[in-house]
Amino acid sequence: SYVLTQPPSVSVSPGQTATITCSGDKLGDNFASWYQQRPGQSPVLVIFQDTKRPSGIPERFSGSTSGNTATLTISGTQSVDEADYYCQAWDRGTSVVFGGGTKLTVL
Amino acid sequence: QVQLVESGGGVVQPGGSLRLSCAASGLAFSSYGMHWVRQAPGKGLEWVAVISYAGTNQYYADSVRGRFTISRDNAKNMLFLQMNSLRVEDSAVYYCASGDIAAAAPLDHWGQGTLVTVSS
Repeated sequence: SYVLTQPPSVSVSPGQTATITCSGDKLGDNFASWYQQRPGQSPVLVIFQDTKRPSGIPERFSGSTSGNTATLTISGTQSVDEADYYCQAWDRGTSVVFGGGTKLTVL
Repeated sequence: QVQLVESGGGVVQPGGSLRLSCAASGLAFSSYGMHWVRQAPGKGLEWVAVISYAGTNQYYADSVRGRFTISRDNAKNMLFLQMNSLRVEDSAVYYCASGDIAAAAPLDHWGQGTLVTVSS
């Protein structure tokens, strides 16, 4: 089955740039989305179609892709950005796959 | 504003059944595909199932296929998940989320979740 691989954890200092990667052998042919899940809360969509930001999501969140890797970048990271982040893609248009999640710590 | 409110969770014995509901408001429900996604305690997100906007197409994760059934009532803006032959490993918070069946379509709105515990 299709697997999306994320680093389990990423640490960043306040004001610095956080980078979270998501790799999968079909990502080059599929769009990636990213979700933020703060502790005790439901997931929130922060990036879709690799690079697009839903309304209401701060400009410091951006997405990019290169080959089979999608990347979520948070510029000027703030303490409120501390959360779990999940990438997601479709597999053959009939099932959805999530990455294992990355815990972002803002030190 | 979009609101998705899940209900129907609870404690059930292994082998038992449960029906989850999701009430939708603030979106053109009958125009959207809908998903169920679950999250076991302390674990990541696991996709469960999706249904097309008209209810004509349904797809399932291998882990639930044959045991769970996703359905919807567009007249009442309701989404359902019938869960049969429940296993301990089905214990999780179950979220409903809006999103079409398409390779570019994200899960754009999520409910607050309902907790299902399968235990003897």
